[in-house]
Amino acid sequence: GQNIDQPTEMTATEGAIVQINCTYQTSGFNGLFWYQQHAGEAPTFLSYNVLDGLEEKGRFSSFLSRSKGYSYLLLKELQMKDSASYLCAVTDSNYQLIWGAGTKLIIKP
Amino acid sequence: DSGVTQTPKHLITATGQRVTLRCSPRSGDLSVYWYQQSLDQGLQFLIQYYNGEERAKGNILERFSAQQFPDLHSELNLSSLELGDSALYFCASSVTGETYNEQFFGPGTRLTVL
Repeated sequence: GQNIDQPTEMTATEGAIVQINCTYQTSGFNGLFWYQQHAGEAPTFLSYNVLDGLEEKGRFSSFLSRSKGYSYLLLKELQMKDSASYLCAVTDSNYQLIWGAGTKLIIKP
Repeated sequence: DSGVTQTPKHLITATGQRVTLRCSPRSGDLSVYWYQQSLDQGLQFLIQYYNGEERAKGNILERFSAQQFPDLHSELNLSSLELGDSALYFCASSVTGETYNEQFFGPGTRLTVL
């Protein structure tokens, strides 16, 4: 079966760094997305990785290792507004997007 | 604002009823996706349309159906509603039907079944 695993919840302190991991087992791989979703709101796109390595975009970076079926989202200089759920999604060999359950990130002052 | 619109924003109805949710994609986007998100749950992919034709099907119940019209707007029909159908329903759109394209999500329709 297809499976995406993310921690259910994480807590971090304002100004700190946090890494949210995502591991996947899918039938094939054609890219991995990270989306941010504030409570009760629509998901918004953060990053897309299809090749191994690190993609940096401001305070947010996303890393992919296809051989390990692993990705992480790194958030630096955390701000209170970063409190949200972070969704990992993988495109499989049939170009179907498989979504993880999301990681709820709580930022404390 | 993603450019994707959904109506209505909220919908309250009773069990056994039928409702229709509407979505207009971003200008120029040909593909529409429908998702269901129950309270504190992940996104469940329901169905995808591309340029008027069904492209992919996820965990969509037989009581649910959807279509995409020539003007590219889409409707999701939910019938014989049950309490468990209460959820946020999101529509998303992308430029093409390929899922390596970023999806832009609408604000969602919150459905409450009493």
